[in-house]
Amino acid sequence: AQSVSQHNHHVILSEAASLELGCNYSYGGTVNLFWYVQYPGQHLQLLLKYFSGDPLVKGIKGFEAEFIKSKFSFNLRKPSVQWSDTAEYFCAVNAPYGNNRLAFGKGNQVVVIP
Amino acid sequence: EADIYQTPRYLVIGTGKKITLECSQTMGHDKMYWYQQDPGMELHLIHYSYGVNSTEKGDLSSESTVSRIRTEHFPLTLESARPSHTSQYLCASSVVGTGAGNTIYFGEGSWLTVV
Repeated sequence: AQSVSQHNHHVILSEAASLELGCNYSYGGTVNLFWYVQYPGQHLQLLLKYFSGDPLVKGIKGFEAEFIKSKFSFNLRKPSVQWSDTAEYFCAVNAPYGNNRLAFGKGNQVVVIP
Repeated sequence: EADIYQTPRYLVIGTGKKITLECSQTMGHDKMYWYQQDPGMELHLIHYSYGVNSTEKGDLSSESTVSRIRTEHFPLTLESARPSHTSQYLCASSVVGTGAGNTIYFGEGSWLTVV
């Protein structure tokens, strides 16, 4: 079974600061990787995903993530955050075949101060 | 934007009551899931379904039960609610088999409080 680790559960930063959220997984096989975002009062939304190909993935709202296979990592980045990026961010991993079950990290609560 | 709906969004109920959380999706997805999330904690899979008449237990043991009589509908039932069932319940769905179908789409969640 795979597990997902996210560090620094609570992150507070000012607008225009850069954001990086770490994600490490333990599954040894081929994986699909996801970042989901949950804005206050809203449902979980897909931010970006990695299946194959270019390990640097561009997502919505200026987010990107880099898959580093040797480090079992899929860190999320945004060069300059906005107040509207205040949300909870979840990293998730699944194996690409089979029952499509996602394993989630504990999430990062990000607060951007105007 | 995914078309997956959960009702009720918020529910406060007394101990011992029976409750059903509804989940419907209009995307024709075969796979559906229920996740449970306590505040500040990760999501845990409690039930999933490959299709009609298919239900499986997830990674986290749950006293709830599910049914899948129709493709679009995947309700979750607690026969006798207890305070320990207080949590957020998230329904999700995905397409079977295709690479793009490995994306799982979530509903808005149902916040259950048992008093």
